[in-house]
Parts: sequence; structure tokens; C-alpha cells
Amino acid sequence: GAGVSQSPSNKVTEKGKDVELRCDPISGHTALYWYRQSLGQGLEFLIYFQGNSAPDKSGLPSDRFSAERTGGSVSTLTIQRTQQEDSAVYLCASSDDRLSSYNEQFFGPGTRLTVL
Amino acid sequence: DAKTTQPPSMDCAEGRAANLPCNHSTISGNEYVYWYRQIHSQGPQYIIHGLKNNETNEMASLIITEDRKSSTLILPHATLRDTAVYYCIVRVATGGKLIFGQGTELSVKP
Repeated sequence: GAGVSQSPSNKVTEKGKDVELRCDPISGHTALYWYRQSLGQGLEFLIYFQGNSAPDKSGLPSDRFSAERTGGSVSTLTIQRTQQEDSAVYLCASSDDRLSSYNEQFFGPGTRLTVL
Repeated sequence: DAKTTQPPSMDCAEGRAANLPCNHSTISGNEYVYWYRQIHSQGPQYIIHGLKNNETNEMASLIITEDRKSSTLILPHATLRDTAVYYCIVRVATGGKLIFGQGTELSVKP
């Protein structure tokens, strides 16, 4: 079946512009995660949505970052007034947290963001 | 901060077993050990997880010490396609974020 998809695959923007990154999770998955991976850095958690619960925003690096998940499915990560340090690969993952003791996260291919 | 410690890199000959160690001395009783890997330019991929018993699936085996302070991921017959960064993560099973460390970069050589 279809996996996690993300769009665009690549995004080049100018410093100060806003960008929106989209994630389509696996159908029926209750949980959705955003991570980012900067050049030479590890994977960094950003935000986590689980069902109708309040999202865990503890990983968002600044108030320029926000995310929403509409209808419990598609999610959009928005970065306002982009800075060069925002350049990274942004990864989305989903999981079916209705299952017990499993919760495998399935990752999308990522969006490579370059801020000039 | 990640709760695990892994060697930064390892080499393995093609066809041989790759044994990747992980230390997690502060693991809690309700935390599982998860392994993911990330092949270059791809998103991470789940491999296996376990609580205290050894586990095996079609990809790998996971050996967890009796005190649960360390574990070893075993790829029984490594291939060139197994070249990747391997991440060992501890987390409760009920879901939530994954905290990735630096992982081990495994190079499988012909």
C-alpha cells in the first residue's frame, strides 16, 4: 500500500520568506510526527500529533515554526521568516498507536529545504 | 539527549554477520529498545524492537543483556545494501517521539 508521502521533495527559498511543507500519512494512522535532519546532524524531533489530543510541540525550535493536522490526516509544517539555519531535510512519520507494544514509525522520503 | 551510546562507525565484510552494540545503562523498566536504520538520502526504517527477551525477524536479531543495560543488533549475512546509519533508541511502547542519537555508520565492504 501507499506509504508516507511528502511534498515538495525539494524547496529552495529566500531568507525571510514563509514556507509550507506537506505530509500525507499512511491512511488510518493515528499518530503523526515531524523531525528534521540538518547537514551532518542527527535526527531532531519537532512535533507529534496523536488523535484528538493536544500536540507535543516540545521540539519546535522557535515560534517561527508551527504545524497543524487537519481532519486527523494531512499535516502542514509552516516555517515563517525562514533563516539559513532552517536549511535541513524535514521528515514526516506516522504510526498506528492503537496497536499495543509496537508503534513502528513509518517515515516519508523527506523535504529538502534550502534557505538562501 | 539520547539515552543510548553507540560506536560512531563500523566496517563489515559482505556475507559476514554485523554485530552492532548499544549501551543504554539508564533504561527504565517500561522502556523498549528499538532499532532503526537510515540508508543514505532516505527516511529511517524500522528494524526490530524488544523489551527483555531476544527477538528475531526477517531483517535482524536483537540480543538484550539480562540486566537490560546493553543490546546488540545482529545482521546475520550483511550485504552491500545494509550500508547505513543504525540507530538504537529506548522508548516506552505506548508511542511518542523517537530521540535519535548519532547512531553507528555501518559500511559493508565487498
